[in-house]
Amino acid sequence: QVQLVESGGGVVQPGRSLRLSCAASGFTFSSYGMHWVRQAPGKGLEWVAVISHDGGNKFYADSVKGRFTISRDQSKNTLYLQMNSLSAEDAAVYYCAKEEYYGSGGYLGYWGQGTLVSVSS
Amino acid sequence: DIQMTQSPSSLSASVGDRVTITCRASQGISNYLTWFQQKPGKAFKSLIYAASNLQSGVPSKFSGSGSGTDFTLTISSLQPEDSGTYFCQQYHSYPLTFGGGTKVEIK
Repeated sequence: QVQLVESGGGVVQPGRSLRLSCAASGFTFSSYGMHWVRQAPGKGLEWVAVISHDGGNKFYADSVKGRFTISRDQSKNTLYLQMNSLSAEDAAVYYCAKEEYYGSGGYLGYWGQGTLVSVSS
Repeated sequence: DIQMTQSPSSLSASVGDRVTITCRASQGISNYLTWFQQKPGKAFKSLIYAASNLQSGVPSKFSGSGSGTDFTLTISSLQPEDSGTYFCQQYHSYPLTFGGGTKVEIK
């Protein structure tokens, strides 16, 4: 079965960097687009970034563009999110999600349980 | 960006009740809408995709409808295990956007 396990969260000072990982199993990782979504404490869901199945296309939310980088290692079945210049507004639970396809659209079909990022001095 | 307005933000209903949650998009999104459920300590669970298609393994008491800008999620007979928070999300265009969520409680 599909499993997505995020790691790498923790407490980081403002302005510093952090890299999140998402280990995928139970499916052919290299065939699916992957996303990061975040949820700040007590707030709604915010989509962060997407990477295509082959890594050739990436899109970002305006709020993280230029600071965050999504990437994937097909040999390790792992998705990454490199987060630089972190601020308090980036504090959230970060989820990775696997695309599922129907017709011409791709939706978030499977989610991990998330990893918590706290930004504090 | 496409804004997704979900209502109600919370509801309390009795076991066996029919429950309806609505989601409105700020512009037409065809049927590029999904619904999912969040429970504390558990991964989000996809319920409905393409507005009305039931995800594999999801009980048939869940159903979705709508197209364009107005969508609904219906739980035909509410059970205790259905408590949680439900979200709609559009995948018509980036950035993907979500409704604010509906917290469902059992009376």
